[in-house]
Amino acid sequence: AQKVTQAQTEISVVEKEDVTLDCVYETRDTTYYLFWYKQPPSGELVFLIRRNSFDEQNEISGRYSWNFQKSTSSFNFTITASQVVDSAVYFCALSGLITGGGNKLTFGTGTQLKVEL
Amino acid sequence: DTEVTQTPKHLVMGMTNKKSLKCEQHMGHRAMYWYKQKAKKPPELMFVYSYEKLSINESVPSRFSPECPNSSLLNLHLHALQPEDSALYLCASSLRLSGDAYNEQFFGPGTRLTVL
Repeated sequence: AQKVTQAQTEISVVEKEDVTLDCVYETRDTTYYLFWYKQPPSGELVFLIRRNSFDEQNEISGRYSWNFQKSTSSFNFTITASQVVDSAVYFCALSGLITGGGNKLTFGTGTQLKVEL
Repeated sequence: DTEVTQTPKHLVMGMTNKKSLKCEQHMGHRAMYWYKQKAKKPPELMFVYSYEKLSINESVPSRFSPECPNSSLLNLHLHALQPEDSALYLCASSLRLSGDAYNEQFFGPGTRLTVL
């Protein structure tokens, strides 16, 4: 069975602070994919990044960066110089194939990030 | 066009009503999904369609009936719902290729359903 753990339920920071959201996963698959999604108060889940199990390179996109460490089964997400617009719930998810097509996402419980002025 | 649209945005219905939720995408994606999300919880998968065929039903009660009339459209028909079915219903799509666990899902804005 697959499992994703986001131990941080809620994080509050002051604008311009850096913040790291933790994600730990469990899977028996040798090939798997990890994702981060952002859900602002409006409700729509916004795709941020996909990472496959064979690529442990860290990735940076603007103020966002991701640290994938297979040895510790972690896929952490850092926001540098946080802004109020970053306030949202962030979900880490793990993907598995569905027989017949499509992929099944196992979501973590989410981390509510609040960025204050 | 890189978006998934959902209508209506909000829906209030009684327990004896019949209503439908609609989801549309024009990205050529061949896998489409329905999720249910309760407040402060992650989305829960309900149904998956792949090439217009139902590939997974996560033991969803029969009062929820999905339909995929074509590759761009996904409906969720609702009948005799209970108050505990009140939630945000999200639709998503992904590009289905062989071995496509890597394909990210793109989500619509959701329909906020209230059952009275």
